[in-house]
Amino acid sequence: KQEVTQIPAALSVPEGENLVLNCSFTDSAIYNLQWFRQDPGKGLTSLLLIQSSQREQTSGRLNASLDKSSGRSTLYIAASQPGDSATYLCAVATGANSKLTFGKGITLSVRP
Amino acid sequence: DAGVIQSPRHEVTEMGQEVTLRCKPISGHNSLFWYRQTMMRGLELLIYFNNNVPIDDSGMPEDRFSAKMPNASFSTLKIQPSEPRDSAVYFCASSPGSSYNSPLHFGNGTRLTVT
Repeated sequence: KQEVTQIPAALSVPEGENLVLNCSFTDSAIYNLQWFRQDPGKGLTSLLLIQSSQREQTSGRLNASLDKSSGRSTLYIAASQPGDSATYLCAVATGANSKLTFGKGITLSVRP
Repeated sequence: DAGVIQSPRHEVTEMGQEVTLRCKPISGHNSLFWYRQTMMRGLELLIYFNNNVPIDDSGMPEDRFSAKMPNASFSTLKIQPSEPRDSAVYFCASSPGSSYNSPLHFGNGTRLTVT
């Protein structure tokens, strides 16, 4: 059974800092991995989707990497801003039609 | 594009009552998902439809839960009878693909409180 872990559960950083959010999974035979953002009282917004054949994906200040062999993914946020404050969740699909397994998320607070 | 629309946003009901949650997916999306989110268990998939047909309902906790998708633009999740442990935020999501190969688009959720 796939398990997805995100540690720490919460993180507070000053504005402007570059930061890395970690995600680990137990079964390396994945189909793809997605990173989501969730704002309080809102649904999830998909940020990046990395296929199993890819090593990384980039969108603006965000860069997600994938290392299947070690069961890890990282989300790199460059030059963090207060507007980046949210909960970031990663989710893994182990097959084209298998369910996504979500981590519990990392709640990020960027201090002005 | 209005995104995935869920109603109601909040629902407070007493134990034993029937609860119906509603979802309108993004037009043209083939897949629809119902998730439940709690602090303890995080996000859990309840059921997944593709082209209005239930594909995976293994996450539906009990017979008290049922979901329908009568057409491509509407789905319901019903709990009858409701129990306090059903209190959670229920999300509907849709995807343009027939598998998990496409990003999911989530609604803003329905916060259910069963007293």
